[in-house]
Amino acid sequence: NAGVTQTPKFQVLKTGQSMTLQCAQDMNHEYMSWYRQDPGMGLRLIHYSVGAGITDQGEVPNGYNVSRSTTEDFPLRLLSAAPSQTSVYFCASSQDSNGYTFGSGTRLTVV
Amino acid sequence: AQKITQTQPGMFVQEKEAVTLDCTYDTSDPSYGLFWYKQPSSGEMIFLIYQGSYDQQNATEGRYSLNFQKARKSANLVISASQLGDSAMYFCAMNNYGQNFVFGPGTRLSVLP
Repeated sequence: NAGVTQTPKFQVLKTGQSMTLQCAQDMNHEYMSWYRQDPGMGLRLIHYSVGAGITDQGEVPNGYNVSRSTTEDFPLRLLSAAPSQTSVYFCASSQDSNGYTFGSGTRLTVV
Repeated sequence: AQKITQTQPGMFVQEKEAVTLDCTYDTSDPSYGLFWYKQPSSGEMIFLIYQGSYDQQNATEGRYSLNFQKARKSANLVISASQLGDSAMYFCAMNNYGQNFVFGPGTRLSVLP
């Protein structure tokens, strides 16, 4: 039981490049979400999904796209990376409201 | 809108002593959950403790307890008998059972030997 798996752990992009952060969970959780963590600001919700085929925007969705074609996977896409997207990204999943299981995070630097 | 406030950017505590990390929240929903997470230097987010808004008793999990004062909208984390391994960032979070969490900015705890 791997829990929530995020890849890659580290990534450096040039401004304007695109990439996809992968997130997979093997717990059959319906709810998945993406957060970014910036110093002094805690974690802020980017996008979330309450089940396969359903996604919605969180607090800071601009510059990011998501899709949820299966229960297990919830990739986050950066279409044209900007330095403001330099952050640590966490994927999380839950089955009920009693807490998340977090992935180990992806540290992204955009230069 | 929901909001979490953690007014202590950093805290120091002597090993084996107890420490309280402050958290206040703001919500208009009558039903909500309060959570504390620990983030060590390795970066992972570790769930510590949960308190439901209708729970009559304060939550406890080993050395962690949550001092829940509903009228004051506070949910302070108490760590008893601090250990060196408790040095980490601590985040208070809330959800309204819609499963979207709001996090506070965090408190960095340093345990001194």
